[in-house]
Amino acid sequence: GIQVEQSPPDLILQEGANSTLRCNFSDSVNNLQWFHQNPWGQLINLFYIPSGTKQNGRLSATTVATERYSLLYISSSQTTDSGVYFCAVNPFTDKLIFGTGTRLQVFP
Amino acid sequence: DVKVTQSSRYLVKRTGEKVFLECVQDMDHENMFWYRQDPGLGLRLIYFSYDVKMKEKGDIPEGYSVSREKKERFSLILESASTSQTSMYLCASSSTRYGELFFGEGSRLTVL
Repeated sequence: GIQVEQSPPDLILQEGANSTLRCNFSDSVNNLQWFHQNPWGQLINLFYIPSGTKQNGRLSATTVATERYSLLYISSSQTTDSGVYFCAVNPFTDKLIFGTGTRLQVFP
Repeated sequence: DVKVTQSSRYLVKRTGEKVFLECVQDMDHENMFWYRQDPGLGLRLIYFSYDVKMKEKGDIPEGYSVSREKKERFSLILESASTSQTSMYLCASSSTRYGELFFGEGSRLTVL
């Protein structure tokens, strides 16, 4: 089955720093989403981005479907950005496949 | 905004008890899903439903059942809870089969 790998697995930043999270997938996909899981466990939608680039405030994402990767950019990070970031892909089946996640800690 | 509401954030149950986890979405979505999340194992799909009264097994359906009597409500049932079912349970919905997925706040279940 399709493999979804995220890097880095862990990231520690000071407030104000920028970061790039990567999601690689091993086969063609129908869609791709980025989620942020906050410390209380809730998964919050960040982007639904099968291809192209989207921006929402300090966050932006780019998916290059032909090269099978997506990038999530976080600028001017804040402590509230802490948590785990997941990408998830749908490889033309019913089931969304989640990546292993990137754990981000932002310190003041 | 899409809202997916799970009935309980935290539950503590005893082995052998019947447990109901309720999920309601307010956006008329056709598709609803139940996942469990465990450290080191990620999110795993338990059951999903594409329509009222329809259900499909996910990757780990054993020990669980579901009910979807109304479009907005999808219930996960643990017929006889076991300690191995201690986990975070996440409900989600989407408007189309491969569409954007929206999650509830999660229900953290502890079985003693």
